[in-house]
Amino acid sequence: DTGVSQNPRHKITKRGQNVTFRCDPISEHNRLYWYRQTLGQGPEFLTYFQNEAQLEKSRLLSDRFSAERPKGSFSTLEIQRTEQGDSAMYLCASSLTSGIAGELFFGEGSRLTVL
Amino acid sequence: AQKITQTQPGMFVQEKEAVTLDCTYDTSDPSYGLFWYKQPSSGEMIFLIYQGSYDQQNATEGRYSLNFQKARKSANLVISASQLGDSAMYFCAMRHRDTGKLIFGQGTTLQVKP
Repeated sequence: DTGVSQNPRHKITKRGQNVTFRCDPISEHNRLYWYRQTLGQGPEFLTYFQNEAQLEKSRLLSDRFSAERPKGSFSTLEIQRTEQGDSAMYLCASSLTSGIAGELFFGEGSRLTVL
Repeated sequence: AQKITQTQPGMFVQEKEAVTLDCTYDTSDPSYGLFWYKQPSSGEMIFLIYQGSYDQQNATEGRYSLNFQKARKSANLVISASQLGDSAMYFCAMRHRDTGKLIFGQGTTLQVKP
């Protein structure tokens, strides 16, 4: 399968713990996006990379969140000192193109539950 | 700033009938792209259809068509001949010209009745 892959699919953690999610985009895609989606809402943009450069971070991305894409391939999203409000689905997407055309290809998401 | 509004939290449709899901948008950019995605209960986002702001004709993809009314800033999704498998959440989105990120609406939950 050559689609966008996310791991783990589900993560349950206790408040205060750190968690890390991984995203493997489609191999030739140079743009990678992270979104957060809470139940019943639309996905909210968190950050994006062009190759290894992180070019934009949303205000939603507090200091406890960090994302990397070290070699312009896979990306990780780390949440430190998790809070119950961090419980959400974290979606990764990749695209080959910039601009207005060309869809983003999404992974199946990583669902985080913070107890 | 760009904004997408979907005012229908939930919709019901009888199997085999057509349904229209509403989407309005706001942007000051003359060039923009509009997308519809489907999200079943399993969670994955499935691309359905795309409309560019300069496209002269409304986009169609199989049973999906986009009713694009530029002056009214609306981009409604029409699903013809609804199937039970169409039951899902549907999101309208706009792609940012510079970053390529998608800005999503709140979504509409569609339930198809047998």
